[in-house]
Amino acid sequence: DSGVTQTPKHLITATGQRVTLRCSPRSGDLSVYWYQQSLDQGLQFLIQYYNGEERAKGNILERFSAQQFPDLHSELNLSSLELGDSALYFCASSAGPQGGELFFGEGSRLTVL
Amino acid sequence: GESVGLHLPTLSVQEGDNSIINCAYSNSASDYFIWYKQESGKGPQFIIDIRSNMDKRQGQRVTVLLNKTVKHLSLQIAATQPGDSAVYFCAETGVMTTDSWGKLQFGAGTQVVVTP
Repeated sequence: DSGVTQTPKHLITATGQRVTLRCSPRSGDLSVYWYQQSLDQGLQFLIQYYNGEERAKGNILERFSAQQFPDLHSELNLSSLELGDSALYFCASSAGPQGGELFFGEGSRLTVL
Repeated sequence: GESVGLHLPTLSVQEGDNSIINCAYSNSASDYFIWYKQESGKGPQFIIDIRSNMDKRQGQRVTVLLNKTVKHLSLQIAATQPGDSAVYFCAETGVMTTDSWGKLQFGAGTQVVVTP
């Protein structure tokens, strides 16, 4: 158990819809990272937050947004969903802003029909 | 469990043998490299890391080798066990800045299957 909690574990929705994925980092970790894992693209970095502030951005679509709250949990919002958004979405956390060893949650499996 | 990839290269290893997993990375300026293990239905799990100023680093039953000349990284697992069956990913950070450590660029992964 990495200590990172993600909900929901599975989510099935329709194209055009919006979903929110939630992540609670390990106790004491200030950085949260979101990654997308799909069969054709592998693991792709989306975005990082550190202590509530956006720290680094990867290949995150404009339809996607994230935030980190004062209690350090994070949410990833995916809107106007397309079939190609079907993937595993992982959250990871680390103590500081500079990553190093990341602790990954078990992921949220999103299926868009 | 869930599949993480349909077309991953596969390494079949007999229990007790040593495994060598290879990875070619793309950015010659990358400063930091990490190996992750992903078991079916789980998130990636950190195994070992290495900085670009090193060419070898050892952990418990694992060794990472870095050859910057040919941009090659390898993970050696000694005395492979059934619990080592998983997908193994190498990852690089590119040039390290204050923002780049968590911005990992993952390789496609190698499926390791340990047979009794």
